[in-house]
Amino acid sequence: SQQGEEDPQALSIQEGENATMNCSYKTSINNLQWYRQNSGRGLVHLILIRSNEREKHSGRLRVTLDTSKKSSSLLITASRAADTASYFCAAQNTGNQFYFGTGTSLTVIP
Amino acid sequence: SAVISQKPSRDICQRGTSLTIQCQVDSQVTMMFWYRQQPGQSLTLIATANQGSEATYESGFVIDKFPISRPNLTFSTLTVSNMSPEDSSIYLCSVEIGGARSETQYFGPGTRLLVL
Repeated sequence: SQQGEEDPQALSIQEGENATMNCSYKTSINNLQWYRQNSGRGLVHLILIRSNEREKHSGRLRVTLDTSKKSSSLLITASRAADTASYFCAAQNTGNQFYFGTGTSLTVIP
Repeated sequence: SAVISQKPSRDICQRGTSLTIQCQVDSQVTMMFWYRQQPGQSLTLIATANQGSEATYESGFVIDKFPISRPNLTFSTLTVSNMSPEDSSIYLCSVEIGGARSETQYFGPGTRLLVL
């Protein structure tokens, strides 16, 4: 079920700029995951950060986690037109349940 | 909303055998997805299954290993073929209802598979 919020809902940037998306959640978590969804496709996993981690990097992605504020951010650096997609955070609790954010629709203009 | 059931809920299988997992939805849906989740890991999308067309597989997954059927708008099956212990995982189906946003995705309870 839906228990997260993401902002902004939509983001439009120029190619080469950085994109930052934020996510807040309500439950206690085991980990938080970020996914990407292209139109007509399923969710593709990008990065997972565990509850005892504060920051994680993967290529052009940087994720932070603040469990005291129940929030996370995803930074995509040096964006490309191919990064255009919807991005979702998913908080997973110890019961293996997923709580997805509302998603951010990112448009990268060439 | 959607109610999704999966069968079996769990199974223990021998190496080299195959298992077919069923996913039943209580309403007609266009898009169904199959994921797997290994212990402590994120969901990994295996394929997208739309009724009336061939399933679309993600990188690293092939039809020979994970054949999918989608005979109608409420049902799909995923077969894990020629299993090895590395296939031990939770397999989940999900459906998308309404718009293309994650709050419209509903997940089944999962099938917990152990391959010996």
